[in-house]
Amino acid sequence: DGGITQSPKYLFRKEGQNVTLSCEQNLNHDAMYWYRQDPGQGLRLIYYSQIVNDFQKGDIAEGYSVSREKKESFPLTVTSAQKNPTAFYLCASSGPSGTSGGELFFGEGSRLTVL
Amino acid sequence: EDQVTQSPEALRLQEGESSSLNCSYTVSGLRGLFWYRQDPGKGPEFLFTLYSAGEEKEKERLKATLTKKESFLHITAPKPEDSATYLCAGGSGYALNFGKGTSLLVTP
Repeated sequence: DGGITQSPKYLFRKEGQNVTLSCEQNLNHDAMYWYRQDPGQGLRLIYYSQIVNDFQKGDIAEGYSVSREKKESFPLTVTSAQKNPTAFYLCASSGPSGTSGGELFFGEGSRLTVL
Repeated sequence: EDQVTQSPEALRLQEGESSSLNCSYTVSGLRGLFWYRQDPGKGPEFLFTLYSAGEEKEKERLKATLTKKESFLHITAPKPEDSATYLCAGGSGYALNFGKGTSLLVTP
C-alpha cells in the first residue's frame, strides 16, 4: 500500500547529540514536509521541499537540517543547536502543485525525547 | 500575519448530541481550508478541503462549511469513535498554517 513511513517511532537522545529522523514515501509525491507538534500547540512547519535537491526553511528551522537527495526520502536531523527538541515530529507529502500544498498525507510520527 | 484559530479547545458530547467546531482564519490569498482528524499518538488524517465561500462537503456524520472568515465542522449524532482531535489548516502557498485543534470526546 502507498503511504509515508517514519522511523523510529520513539527515540531518546542525550543532550548534545544529533539525531536523524527518517521519512520515506511511495506515493510518488513531489513535495515533502516536516512539522513539529507540541502539546497544546498547532503543527509548526520546520522545512519543506518541493523538488529533489531543493528545500526551504519553515517557521522554526533553527537547529534542524534536512536533505532531499531522492524523491522518496526527506530525512530530518535534529542538531544539538536545537534548544528544546523534545516533541512529536510529523513528516508529510503532497501531490501535484494544484493541491496548493494542501491535502497533506502524514506519517505516523516520531516522538523524540531528550534526556 | 496568517492565522488560524479553532474553538472550543475541548468539547465533550453525549453520543447522539450534535454540535459544531469553529475555525476562523485570516490568511491572505487563501487557496484552501483543510480539516484533519488526529487520533492520539498518530499522524493527522485528511478529511476535507474547501476552496470557496459557500462550499460544503460531507462524510458520514461530518459536514464542513466555509464562509469568507470561518469554517465549521458540524458533527451530527456523534458516536464514541468520533472522539479525536480535529485540526483546521489554511494556506496561501505550499505551507499550511494549522490551528491548535479541538479535542472532541464523545461519551456513550
